[in-house]
Amino acid sequence: EPEVTQTPSHQVTQMGQEVILRCVPISNHLYFYWYRQILGQKVEFLVSFYNNEISEKSEIFDDQFSVERPDGSNFTLKIRSTKLEDSAMYFCASSVSAQPQHFGDGTRLSIL
Amino acid sequence: ELKVEQNPLFLSMQEGKNYTIYCNYSTTSDRLYWYRQDPGKSLESLFVLLSNGAVKQEGRLMASLDTKARLSTLHITAAVHDLSATYFCAVDPTRYNAGNMLTFGGGTRLMVKP
Repeated sequence: EPEVTQTPSHQVTQMGQEVILRCVPISNHLYFYWYRQILGQKVEFLVSFYNNEISEKSEIFDDQFSVERPDGSNFTLKIRSTKLEDSAMYFCASSVSAQPQHFGDGTRLSIL
Repeated sequence: ELKVEQNPLFLSMQEGKNYTIYCNYSTTSDRLYWYRQDPGKSLESLFVLLSNGAVKQEGRLMASLDTKARLSTLHITAAVHDLSATYFCAVDPTRYNAGNMLTFGGGTRLMVKP
């Protein structure tokens, strides 16, 4: 069964550094998403992306965050200057229309 | 702002018992999803409920949606240990557009004891 793949599985970064999280969505999906889950808390929406542009974003997704689809397969989330509170599990998801969003295994981001 | 509330937040139950998890949400929506998450793992899609009165069943789990009451339930029948996980409901508040944000409930951590 096709799946969403994310790399790396774990990223450790110094505070203030830039980090890029990578995702390969399911190939025939058109909608792409990033969510985060702080340890022990609920999953929070960050951003959705369709037709090469952001379709929705949450308050969490401030100027420090950006997304890009640099080629036909990858979908990236960049955090320009990481803060301690950015430590979380980041999930990429993709979907076709109103079908369920399929989630990757996540990248655990640890900010030191 | 859409609020999605699940209860209970934690559920410890014996194998063989039945129980229901509730998901209430605060705005009009007819798209609701249930996901399962094992510790340290990703979210696995369980059910997609797309209309009022929708009922879906898979094994020992059954999900339903009442859009008028803004309530979804996840019913567990004759629980087994393998069902131990955290269950999230998620609501898509947008009626006509696809591919929009999901708002998740706080999750119900289910522990099934032998």
